[in-house]
Amino acid sequence: DAEITQSPRHKITETGRQVTLACHQTWNHNNMFWYRQDLGHGLRLIHYSYGVQDTNKGEVSDGYSVSRSNTEDLPLTLESAASSQTSVYFCASSESKGGRDIQYFGAGTRLSVL
Amino acid sequence: AQRVTQPEKLLSVFKGAPVELKCNYSYSGSPELFWYVQYSRQRLQLLLRHISRESIKGFTADLNKGETSFHLKKPFAQEEDSAMYYCALSPSQGGTNAGKSTFGDGTTLTVKP
Repeated sequence: DAEITQSPRHKITETGRQVTLACHQTWNHNNMFWYRQDLGHGLRLIHYSYGVQDTNKGEVSDGYSVSRSNTEDLPLTLESAASSQTSVYFCASSESKGGRDIQYFGAGTRLSVL
Repeated sequence: AQRVTQPEKLLSVFKGAPVELKCNYSYSGSPELFWYVQYSRQRLQLLLRHISRESIKGFTADLNKGETSFHLKKPFAQEEDSAMYYCALSPSQGGTNAGKSTFGDGTTLTVKP
């Protein structure tokens, strides 16, 4: 069955370190997204991609970067982790059938920056 | 700009009582609206979409374009409905925002026994 997987599921790191969160989907979807989920803020879009070599900034992109070298993967990199980036991160993908998108979510990565 | 508002962060009802989770949106075009649900320790998943006009787990939601609302309703809440619910808007086909959904801040529903 097609799915979307995130790794690691939990990560503890120190301030200033570079961290990469992996997202892999086997739906063969064009669109992939990264969100962070925080109490009081719901889901906020970090970065997204409409296809290979395409990346776009979301509403909270500062301090994060992504790259899309193939259809299946959209890794999220925190260049220099900050305590404010402690959060739960969700990856999602969608196919964009006629522009009416259902998003399929990964199980999430809980990141703690100490 | 598209925007989704869920005015209630927390909602608590007793088992068997009716429940309504509110969602209001602003968008100049013709959007598609979704409700996603996240049960404890599970991933976010689609509950229903307005274009399907179906009832899922007893929940229904009607798109009211005049009031720009897409409230989620269930006549008799069950304990297993306790979860976080997100309303989301997907823009019209094409344009710079194609494929990019906007989510509300979510409502945590607790159904008490």
